[in-house]
Amino acid sequence: DAKTTQPPSMDCAEGRAANLPCNHSTISGNEYVYWYRQIHSQGPQYIIHGLKNNETNEMASLIITEDRKSSTLILPHATLRDTAVYYCIVRGVHTGANSKLTFGKGITLSVRP
Amino acid sequence: GAGVSQTPSNKVTEKGKYVELRCDPISGHTALYWYRQSLGQGPEFLIYFQGTGAADDSGLPNDRFFAVRPEGSVSTLKIQRTERGDSAVYLCASAGGRQETQYFGPGTRLLVL
Repeated sequence: DAKTTQPPSMDCAEGRAANLPCNHSTISGNEYVYWYRQIHSQGPQYIIHGLKNNETNEMASLIITEDRKSSTLILPHATLRDTAVYYCIVRGVHTGANSKLTFGKGITLSVRP
Repeated sequence: GAGVSQTPSNKVTEKGKYVELRCDPISGHTALYWYRQSLGQGPEFLIYFQGTGAADDSGLPNDRFFAVRPEGSVSTLKIQRTERGDSAVYLCASAGGRQETQYFGPGTRLLVL
């Protein structure tokens, strides 16, 4: 079972920031938070991941609470092409068998013009 | 650089037939994963290879499913005596580097009539 919970859907206006929440209250100290997204009929696309510190890359920012029980993915200026299902996934830091991804249902983000 | 590629992109077969699905990972990635995604669901783990060996095949649904990676690069997922319930998108991901972040291919859409 997925160790994360996400709302089923949300929307935002084009050009505005999209803040996607995720709860992972049972996360352990040796688990990363990963975010992927899946645009219709494509394979999942890696976005970002983090352990304890906030992270930023060219696609998004990841804010992890101090107790690590929740996180927020931020798309700073959403475009219509960001409409997708976004998956928040907890994954063990150790490589090998513990590195498989357990997907939940994700959150469907709809960006409106 | 080149990403993960999967062939064929679509496969239609008849119940009872045998199918092979191919995955070409990112060059140099030692880890390779297969997932299956049914309509409206997140991807589900099938099998994980580290090099040539299957390190974790706990997600394979039954003995009709088998996967190989003989030279530690290309992998083939084989399904014998296909059933209509096998219809799904089959996704491959490869991973490398210290944290083994997974990068997905576009998937193969399998339809069993």
